[in-house]
Amino acid sequence: DGGITQSPKYLFRKEGQNVTLSCEQNLNHDAMYWYRQDPGQGLRLIYYSQIVNDFQKGDIAEGYSVSREKKESFPLTVTSAQKNPTAFYLCASTIRNSPLHFGNGTRLTVT
Amino acid sequence: AQSVTQLDSQVPVFEEAPVELRCNYSSSVSVYLFWYVQYPNQGLQLLLKYLSGSTLVKGINGFEAEFNKSQTSFHLRKPSVHISDTAEYFCAVSESTDSWGKLQFGAGTQVVVTP
Repeated sequence: DGGITQSPKYLFRKEGQNVTLSCEQNLNHDAMYWYRQDPGQGLRLIYYSQIVNDFQKGDIAEGYSVSREKKESFPLTVTSAQKNPTAFYLCASTIRNSPLHFGNGTRLTVT
Repeated sequence: AQSVTQLDSQVPVFEEAPVELRCNYSSSVSVYLFWYVQYPNQGLQLLLKYLSGSTLVKGINGFEAEFNKSQTSFHLRKPSVHISDTAEYFCAVSESTDSWGKLQFGAGTQVVVTP
């Protein structure tokens, strides 16, 4: 079955460490997205990529970095510069004129 | 810039009763509107979308929504809820004509269905 795989489901890190969240899709979608979800705030766009080797900042890109070396993969690195990294991170993908398809998320806890 | 307001953060409802979730948006251009549902610790699943045409949109699981341009609203309704409808619901808007991935989301409405 086609879909988006986010791993791991739960991730724990110490403050000051960088951490990379994995996102893989086998839907053959061109565009991929990272959203952050906090309680009572909905989802906010971090980064997105519409084509391999290209990506753009979303509304809250500070403290995050991404890469898009393959069509299927769009990893997100949460750096030590991100002041409030504890959140639920959702990866999504889409193709032209098609709604977003979401993965099941990674819950990151930084202490 | 667009924004989305979901007027209720939590909606308690009894099983088999109707429910309405309210969503208002602001935008200076034409928009595409979406409702997504999220079950605990999962991703979001599309319920329905409005692109153009008929203002009444039917989605999955018996949900429907009505687009009202003059009131800039896109309220979600279901005539009779089930326990399994307990979830968080998000209204979202896109101004993009070639990509519906850049969405502005509302803060969400938690629906709690009790017997």
